[in-house]
This record gives sequence, C-alpha cells and structure tokens, in this order.
Amino acid sequence: GAGVSQSPSNKVTEKGKDVELRCDPISGHTALYWYRQSLGQGLEFLIYFQGNSAPDKSGLPSDRFSAERTGGSVSTLTIQRTQQEDSAVYLCASTQGGDTQYFGPGTRLTVL
Amino acid sequence: AQKVTQAQTEISVVEKEDVTLDCVYETRDTTYYLFWYKQPPSGELVFLIRRNSFDEQNEISGRYSWNFQKSTSSFNFTITASQVVDSAVYFCALSFLYNTDKLIFGTGTRLQVFP
Repeated sequence: GAGVSQSPSNKVTEKGKDVELRCDPISGHTALYWYRQSLGQGLEFLIYFQGNSAPDKSGLPSDRFSAERTGGSVSTLTIQRTQQEDSAVYLCASTQGGDTQYFGPGTRLTVL
Repeated sequence: AQKVTQAQTEISVVEKEDVTLDCVYETRDTTYYLFWYKQPPSGELVFLIRRNSFDEQNEISGRYSWNFQKSTSSFNFTITASQVVDSAVYFCALSFLYNTDKLIFGTGTRLQVFP
C-alpha cells in the first residue's frame, strides 16, 4: 500500500482479556517497529524486526507483550491479560533499513 | 545517557508569528541521526526532517527551517509566518544506526496557532 496501515483504529477491551493489534508496513520495507504513546511515558520503543534477523525486544514492558512478523511483512502485537496501564496508542513504523521511519495512524487501546 | 529534551511543553502564537521549537539531545556517540516529526490532531506522526551528525548545515524547506548546532547539542526548528494548520504536537527524536535505529523521542511540544 501507499503507507503504513494499522488495525483496528480503536480497541476497547476489559481488563484481563487478550488483544491483537495489526500492522501492515509499506511494501518493500524490510524493517518494522512498534512504539507506544501514553500520557505518562510519552513515545517509547517496544520492538523491532529486520528481515529474518532475531527481533530486538528490548522495549517490551513485560512478558505479557509479544509480537511476530509473518513472511517479512505483516506484524501482530499481542497483549495478554491486559491491564489498565496498557491503555495507550500503539504506533507501527516501517523503513527500508537504516532510512527514515514512516508511521501508521496507530491503534488506540482502552482497557476498562 | 541518550536523551532528547524538549523543554517547551506548549507554545501559543498568533497566525503569522514566527516560532522556534527547541530540542536538546544527549549522547556520547559521534554518529547519530536527528529527526523532527509532526503529530496533528488526527494522531499520525508525519516525518519532517532527518539530519546526520556529520552534516551541520542548516536547512530550509518553505516556511520551515532547522538549526543544527553540535556545540550546544541542539537541533531547533523554526516555523516562519505560522499558520493555523501548523497546530500540532512536534517531536524531536534521536537514533543510532548501530542500535537498530530505534527512535528516542522527546516529550513533544504542543504548538497552538490562533487566527
């Protein structure tokens, strides 16, 4: 596609439920990033995928968070047993390795 | 420590005024990249500029200009003759090619331009 797309745009869930957030990067971009934007923490890095290399998971806040990237394209961020502090906007970005990161519109997650 | 500081939380100006958004960064590395992104009310982060640490030449793009000064570790952004459409949150960010290029963001400056 022309840009990075994310779905859903909004997600409301109950505490304790699992959620999956999806990111479709720009076609041909080899690197994909997830970030989280929350009121208390600002914009923070979560995880990075580059080709077939092992992902950099250093930003994931807890083991409830995981992500995968299938076929070097679409990525899914999964949050298990959601907590209220997980409420945030989750942003995905892609890049052609070492180049500028282009962001999607984000998924706004609200945990009740 | 690697850090980006945007000390201005919020700035309000009247249309046609010039405004400068400050960005100060901290790093001991000699190779790094600096960015500015704009986040309008719609929420999407829009890329504005990327500079590498070896290129201190200032840049102008229309009403936008950037002043990169390594001596003061600053990468300031000026909007000339501001317009209502410039109202947004602006983020300065830092990245390192050796470290997966992940972006380290400042806390952002909210710019409100009033007609």
